Amino acid sequence: GQNIDQPTEMTATEGAIVQINCTYQTSGFNGLFWYQQHAGEAPTFLSYNVLDGLEEKGRFSSFLSRSKGYSYLLLKELQMKDSASYLCAVKSGATNKLIFGTGTLLAVQP
Amino acid sequence: DAGVTQSPTHLIKTRGQQVTLRCSPKSGHDTVSWYQQALGQGPQFIFQYYEEEERQRGNFPDRFSGHQFPNYSSELNVNALLLGDSALYLCASKDGGLAGLYNEQFFGPGTRLTVL
Repeated sequence: GQNIDQPTEMTATEGAIVQINCTYQTSGFNGLFWYQQHAGEAPTFLSYNVLDGLEEKGRFSSFLSRSKGYSYLLLKELQMKDSASYLCAVKSGATNKLIFGTGTLLAVQP
Repeated sequence: DAGVTQSPTHLIKTRGQQVTLRCSPKSGHDTVSWYQQALGQGPQFIFQYYEEEERQRGNFPDRFSGHQFPNYSSELNVNALLLGDSALYLCASKDGGLAGLYNEQFFGPGTRLTVL
């Protein structure tokens, strides 16, 4: 079967660092995406990993270990506007079907 | 350059009715996917259209159908609406066809469907 797990909720403090984990079990893995979604809005692309290792993009970094079926999204220097749901999604097979986790609702507090 | 657009923004229907949602992909994109997102959940893949044909389908009943037009825009139709069909319906587009290398999918703002 196909399964993606991530924590339901997390809380962090403005200026701090937070790590959101994602584990997956899918057939035909072909890449992992992280999306940010503010309430009532569309998901917006944050990162893509297809090879093992860390991808850094400004305050956001994403890590992938294919052998462990594991990824994390690292957010540094948290800002209030980072309060949102963070979705982990796996690209399955040769097409562009994305399998999403339920999302992690991050609350950034002053 | 307009991104992915969807209409209508919000829609209220009653059980048993039928609904049609519309999506215009980002300029230059030829592949459209539809997702259903229930409250507090991640998006669930419904189906994907490329070259005016349904290419892949998720675990949704035949009540959910779609269409893609020559200009790459797409429609999602849902018949015999159930209360459980209440959700945010997202359209996503990409270029480069079905497969190939990394192709980011761009999401539209969604249509909020409420079934009473």
